[in-house]
Amino acid sequence: LAKTTQPISMDSYEGQEVNITCSHNNIATNDYITWYQQFPSQGPRFIIQGYKTKVTNEVASLFIPADRKSSTLSLPRVSLSDTAVYYCLVGAWEDTPLVFGKGTRLSVIA
Amino acid sequence: DVKVTQSSRYLVKRTGEKVFLECVQDMDHENMFWYRQDPGLGLRLIYFSYDVKMKEKGDIPEGYSVSREKKERFSLILESASTNQTSMYLCASSLTGEGHNEQFFGPGTRLTVL
Repeated sequence: LAKTTQPISMDSYEGQEVNITCSHNNIATNDYITWYQQFPSQGPRFIIQGYKTKVTNEVASLFIPADRKSSTLSLPRVSLSDTAVYYCLVGAWEDTPLVFGKGTRLSVIA
Repeated sequence: DVKVTQSSRYLVKRTGEKVFLECVQDMDHENMFWYRQDPGLGLRLIYFSYDVKMKEKGDIPEGYSVSREKKERFSLILESASTNQTSMYLCASSLTGEGHNEQFFGPGTRLTVL
């Protein structure tokens, strides 16, 4: 499985756009990029998955450059409730389980 | 709506006790997982199962065992609890097949071993 590297923590003010970048230099052809979100005292939950270019849903956008060696999770206009740990995972659909790592702790400040 | 439930949110046990953590999922998922989460260490996989009566060791299986007698239920067993097993334990499940590796997590069990 491709190893991922992401910042340990980030701070942001409410209303700002937050971009969290994940590096995955050894990504394989069949690998997808998946992001999970974990609120305090809860289990992680899936938020977005992509293979290339851009994916958007009601929670976030995921930007993947052509070489796919990195990806950026974008959270528009964050609020205090977006304070959570965000995990970047890389692997193929048949890779079970994927590796979660330590994630990025996002703190949103009023 | 997928639901993964864990038998307890909080549990306090004594050193040497045998501890059972139960996990049940209601969406007929083939795969089930047990993780532990500690500050600064992220989620670490203890065991997983891809079918009834099947189990695979994860990254940190020492001191733990598992049981999967029914598809919907996956149990984590601490044969003789120790203080270094104080942690948050998270159960998850997922389907098998193309486009289906999303894991659904339970709320977690915070275990304290005294």
